Amino acid sequence: DAKTTQPTSMDCAEGRAANLPCNHSTISGNEYVYWYRQIHSQGPQYIIHGLKNNETNEMASLIITEDRKSSTLILPHATLRDTAVYYCIVRVMYSNSGYALNFGKGTSLLVTP
Amino acid sequence: NAGVTQTPKFQVLKTGQSMTLQCAQDMNHNSMYWYRQDPGMGLRLIYYSASEGTTDKGEVPNGYNVSRLNKREFSLRLESAAPSQTSVYFCASSSLGGGRENIQYFGAGTRLSVL
Repeated sequence: DAKTTQPTSMDCAEGRAANLPCNHSTISGNEYVYWYRQIHSQGPQYIIHGLKNNETNEMASLIITEDRKSSTLILPHATLRDTAVYYCIVRVMYSNSGYALNFGKGTSLLVTP
Repeated sequence: NAGVTQTPKFQVLKTGQSMTLQCAQDMNHNSMYWYRQDPGMGLRLIYYSASEGTTDKGEVPNGYNVSRLNKREFSLRLESAAPSQTSVYFCASSSLGGGRENIQYFGAGTRLSVL
């Protein structure tokens, strides 16, 4: 099962772009990369996911390298409300019947005024 | 559309007591999940249900039982609570079980303390 590696913490100034890196060097060819975030004590919130191509939605952009061994989540104009723990996730197969998301410790992003 | 609803939001138990955490989703999702999150840690999967009528163990199933009551509801039971089970419990659901895309939607959590 693919594992992910993220920095423990990052800072970003309000209004600037926040670029959160993730390594997933053992990801298999058909596995998606997912990004979630968790704002203090709340349930995790889905942000974006991708397979090969770069993706963009109203929350963020996801850049996946051509070899798919790493990706970067981009919050284009970070606000104080984006302060959260960000998780880069690949699926884990727990049995023949199903998959689940493998949450690690994530990156704690602090957006400062 | 409430999404994923968990009850109760807070609970304090004494060691050895039992309780059931309830979870319901109104998104017509096939798959449901129970996670726990200890302080400063990421989420760890306890049990999941890929579809109605099936349940499977996750990473940390010991000390828990689950019931997929119907498509909407997935409960987590602690038969004899221990202090090590003090944690925040999150329920989630997704539309696909074995499919490639597995976007999970989470409830607000149940904060459990076992004294």
